[in-house]
Amino acid sequence: NAGVMQNPRHLVRRRGQEARLRCSPMKGHSHVYWYRQLPEEGLKFMVYLQKENIIDESGMPKERFSAEFPKEGPSILRIQQVVRGDSAAYFCASSSGPGNTEAFFGQGTRLTVV
Amino acid sequence: DQQVKQNSPSLSVQEGRISILNCDYTNSMFDYFLWYKKYPAEGPTFLISISSIKDKNEDGRFTVFLNKSAKHLSLHIVPSQPGDSAVYFCAASAAQGAQKLVFGQGTRLTINP
Repeated sequence: NAGVMQNPRHLVRRRGQEARLRCSPMKGHSHVYWYRQLPEEGLKFMVYLQKENIIDESGMPKERFSAEFPKEGPSILRIQQVVRGDSAAYFCASSSGPGNTEAFFGQGTRLTVV
Repeated sequence: DQQVKQNSPSLSVQEGRISILNCDYTNSMFDYFLWYKKYPAEGPTFLISISSIKDKNEDGRFTVFLNKSAKHLSLHIVPSQPGDSAVYFCAASAAQGAQKLVFGQGTRLTINP
């Protein structure tokens, strides 16, 4: 399966713990995007990364959230000291380039903070 | 500030008929528009896109129309099939591509047999 792979599919964390969400882009794709979907809402852009670079993080909360896309391995979205309001579906997408290309989404990670 | 709006949360259509999903946007910098389909517990699946230099794009049963002066686009599905039942998201980009998509809230389409 050459699609965008996200893991875990479901993640339960207690308040104050750290959540790590992983995303492996489609083969040949070097552009990764993270989106968050709150219940009954559309997806909201969080961050756009290329290998080893953050291109646009205008949608990331200022505190507790960080993202990386290392030279080797998957992209990681890290949420420190999670709170109940972080409960959402987090989707990763990848594309082959910035221009005139479509983004392909993974199945998402559903984070529940208890 | 909701830059992309889908004002109908739900739509119910008879199988075989045409489904029309609507989307309005406010940002005149948007120049690339996409429709995604989403089933429960899955990620959005790309359906069809249109560049602002066009007013229509067709792919099989799916056609997207863009009215730039009205800042409005619509997705037509004809004929509608039961497998089309899903949530449809309209998305827009200011960069002629995939980055930083702005999504609408979605419309839940139900196709009745």
